[in-house]
Amino acid sequence: EIVLTQSPGTLSLSPGERATLSCRASQGVSSTYLAWYQQKPGQAPRLLIYGASNRATGIPDRFSGSRSGTDFTLTISRLEPEDFAVYYCQQYHSSPPMYTFGQGTKLDIK
Amino acid sequence: QVQLQESGPGLVKPSGTLSLTCAVSGDSISGSDWWTWVRQSPGKGLEWIGEIHHYASSNSNYNPSLKSRVTMSVDRSKNQSSLKLTSVTAADTAVYYCVRGGSYSLGFWGQGTLVTVSS
Repeated sequence: EIVLTQSPGTLSLSPGERATLSCRASQGVSSTYLAWYQQKPGQAPRLLIYGASNRATGIPDRFSGSRSGTDFTLTISRLEPEDFAVYYCQQYHSSPPMYTFGQGTKLDIK
Repeated sequence: QVQLQESGPGLVKPSGTLSLTCAVSGDSISGSDWWTWVRQSPGKGLEWIGEIHHYASSNSNYNPSLKSRVTMSVDRSKNQSSLKLTSVTAADTAVYYCVRGGSYSLGFWGQGTLVTVSS
C-alpha cells in the first residue's frame, strides 16, 4: 500500500506570502494519479490540482503543483485570506483500484 | 450545475446498517463518471470508501479495509447512488460525502451528511 506523508503538519504564514506544501509517496506514483484538495471548516473538500500539475476548473493561477521524484509540491504563490484551510494530497492506485489521502496540512494565518 | 445531495438517517445503532442515498441533479448518473463515497471522522482526515459505475453494479471497487461490510448501487431511473455499510461501530461515525469521480481524481463533492453510531 502506498502511503502519502504530508509536511508540515501546520504552516503559519501571512497573506501575501508564498506557501509550499509537500506530499511524499512511500513508493513511485504516476503524476497522472496525484491530486490536491482544499477543505475549509464545515465544507466539503474542493479539487484544486489533478494530474500533479493541472488546475481544476475555476482554480486561480496562484495555485500550482509540481513533482520531483516521489515528492509532490503544492505552491500558493501569494496567499489570499481565503486560502487559509486544510490541504490534502491524494493518489490513485490502479491494482487494486483505490484512492488514498495524505493526513493533511493545515495552513493558518500567522 | 451539478448538485449532489446525500440523505439518510443521522443516527444508527451499533451493529446496525448505515444506509445513505446520493441524489444527483444537473448530470446523468449514466455518464462516464464513477460515483464515489468518501468519509471523514470528526476532526480527522479523509477515507475513500469505494466507487461504482452505472454500467453494472458489479462494476465497483471498495476499500479493502471496508470491503466485507460495504455495498454500493446505482438507480438509473432515480438518478441516484446508494451506500450500505453493515455491522457499524462507533468508529464508523463520520461525515459521509458523495463524490463524482473520474480520471483518477474526485472532481465534485456533495455537502456531506453526518452519521453518528450510538445507542
